[in-house]
Amino acid sequence: EVQLVESGGGLVKPGGSLRLSCAASGFTFSHSWMSWVRQPPGKGLEWVGRIKSKADGGTTEYAAPVKGRFTISRDDSKSTLYLQMNSLKTEDAGVYYCTTVGGGLMVFYWGQGTLVTVSS
Amino acid sequence: QSVLTQPPSVSAAPGQKVTISCSGSSSNIGNNYVSWYQQLPGTAPKLLIYENNKRPSGIPDRFSGSKSGTSATLGITGLQTGDEADYYCGAWDNSLSAVLFGGGTKLTIL
Repeated sequence: EVQLVESGGGLVKPGGSLRLSCAASGFTFSHSWMSWVRQPPGKGLEWVGRIKSKADGGTTEYAAPVKGRFTISRDDSKSTLYLQMNSLKTEDAGVYYCTTVGGGLMVFYWGQGTLVTVSS
Repeated sequence: QSVLTQPPSVSAAPGQKVTISCSGSSSNIGNNYVSWYQQLPGTAPKLLIYENNKRPSGIPDRFSGSKSGTSATLGITGLQTGDEADYYCGAWDNSLSAVLFGGGTKLTIL
């Protein structure tokens, strides 16, 4: 069974930083492309970015609103995905989901999410 | 404002059928696969349909997907009270090099 468990969410001031982690199990993490999706409170889904498997180059792509501020990385030895968030803004607040990437370059499995609050 | 357009809400009675539309463009739906997700209240989204019309293991055949040109449709038959949720479409966009989601459709069972 695929399991994705996010952690690291919390309250941070505008301009601050936070690192989210996602522990993966139940599938071959090192072979998998992974992504982050967020959901602002009471709003819809917003793609944050993705990272390819190392075999496919390990490259990353980001949504325009977070490019240059957020960094996705992975540690295949720990089956863990990371999201480093810097220069946080109030509009970055929401639930952040760790996901696998499947057919059609789309999100397949979802974690339970971790809440990020950006407020002074 | 989402680039993929969905109706904000739909409703139907138990046992009935409902369809949810998702409209895009040639840079996303027109040339890429569409996925559909169900988000029950207070829970994480779950994949319902991938690659336009395929169902993951465990998803009942009451749920179906189709695509024509730059639009896609999610169909749900034999509606149950447990189907009351938000539904999102999604597709890769070649111009933006990003995944796009629709704004979501709230399904209410009357």
